[in-house]
Amino acid sequence: GAGVSQSPRYKVAKRGQDVALRCDPISGHVSLFWYQQALGQGPEFLTYFQNEAQLDKSGLPSDRFFAERPEGSVSTLKIQRTQQEDSAVYLCASSSETGTGFNEQYFGPGTRLTVT
Amino acid sequence: AQSVTQLGSHVSVSEGALVLLRCNYSSSVPPYLFWYVQYPNQGLQLLLKYTSAATLVKGINDFEAEFKKSETSFHLTKPSAHMSDAAEYFCAVSPGPGGADGLTFGKGTHLIIQP
Repeated sequence: GAGVSQSPRYKVAKRGQDVALRCDPISGHVSLFWYQQALGQGPEFLTYFQNEAQLDKSGLPSDRFFAERPEGSVSTLKIQRTQQEDSAVYLCASSSETGTGFNEQYFGPGTRLTVT
Repeated sequence: AQSVTQLGSHVSVSEGALVLLRCNYSSSVPPYLFWYVQYPNQGLQLLLKYTSAATLVKGINDFEAEFKKSETSFHLTKPSAHMSDAAEYFCAVSPGPGGADGLTFGKGTHLIIQP
């Protein structure tokens, strides 16, 4: 595939359940980002990976949120003990390079998480 | 810290009319600025970017934006609206060019095109 893909596209979880959201970035992209987009809001930054290294996790809202990218390609965002306030669309983006020069972030379609 | 304010959660224009979507930013460092468009059930797509070269930036689909440092603004315009322009538009700011920096987004403006 040419773009960023995410799965599942939709997820319904009961409060207290754990969920795992997957992101497949564009092949060869070094940088990977996760964003959370609540209903009617703009996306908010959660975390950033450069290859397998998680260089910034300042946006993760609580210790229930955990992200990994063990082999520097696919990434998983895990939310433990989901709460209703976790309901949102989770967006993944990837970019080809780091550092200087402009590098576009390409976004996936998102996973819509609904916690009931 | 950086922030973005988009004035108007909804903007309605007639087909063929001028589109103006407003964005003001706050940044303690020289900003990189972006406009993204989001169609229903699709990911964000980059429309245009300001990365400290020209202050008037042209993007896809005849959109353009002008960086005005004195007004801390980066408003998005299009001379003639088309029905296909109906979507959600987000202004975003970054401390760097984008490849290694999380973006800070505004709340978005929903553009409605009246036939």
